Amino acid sequence: DAGVIQSPRHEVTEMGQEVTLRCKPISGHDYLFWYRQTMMRGLELLIYFNNNVPIDDSGMPEDRFSAKMPNASFSTLKIQPSEPRDSAVYFCASSLGGSLNEQFFGPGTRLTVL
Amino acid sequence: GEDVEQSLFLSVREGDSSVINCTYTDSSSTYLYWYKQEPGAGLQLLTYIFSNMDMKQDQRLTVLLNKKDKHLSLRIADTQTGDSAIYFCAERGNFGNEKLTFGTGTRLTIIP
Repeated sequence: DAGVIQSPRHEVTEMGQEVTLRCKPISGHDYLFWYRQTMMRGLELLIYFNNNVPIDDSGMPEDRFSAKMPNASFSTLKIQPSEPRDSAVYFCASSLGGSLNEQFFGPGTRLTVL
Repeated sequence: GEDVEQSLFLSVREGDSSVINCTYTDSSSTYLYWYKQEPGAGLQLLTYIFSNMDMKQDQRLTVLLNKKDKHLSLRIADTQTGDSAIYFCAERGNFGNEKLTFGTGTRLTIIP
């Protein structure tokens, strides 16, 4: 398996633009997580899905952020409109729910909002 | 809510042992994890311990858990330059809750 795939790896955009980050989880995994990593706040869980259904979105910063999982092999995180303070590395992770629940992380998308 | 804390930086001489510490607040933690993040990459699971254990050893890695004090540590024996990374402690609450709470990460620097 190729692991968790994220695209794009880098994104530079201007304030006010819409940004869409994409994630393909590991085949067969039933949990998908979106995280944001910054120097100031460390690693924050934004939202997670189980079987394509959002379970906990309490970490989503505000209404400008939205996440969808239309099927088991694809998820998006959208920011509209983007702001400079959204600049961060966004990670997607997937896991097979159960006792250990090891989360497998993608390589991340580095977002820069100018 | 749950909270997990770590010191931000640790410097160790090559060949010495590294000890990275973590404290957490959730008394219902079931599993505790150590993840490693190398530059430009995502996190990878390094090792884990179930909450009813107090020690786990895996080659150069030793995990100690003091459940009473809610203290977790990771010891890396014979630290090598390839061990340079950020190490995250994470805890998982009750079974059925798949959410992990991560610490701030400890950046381990190896001094030649």
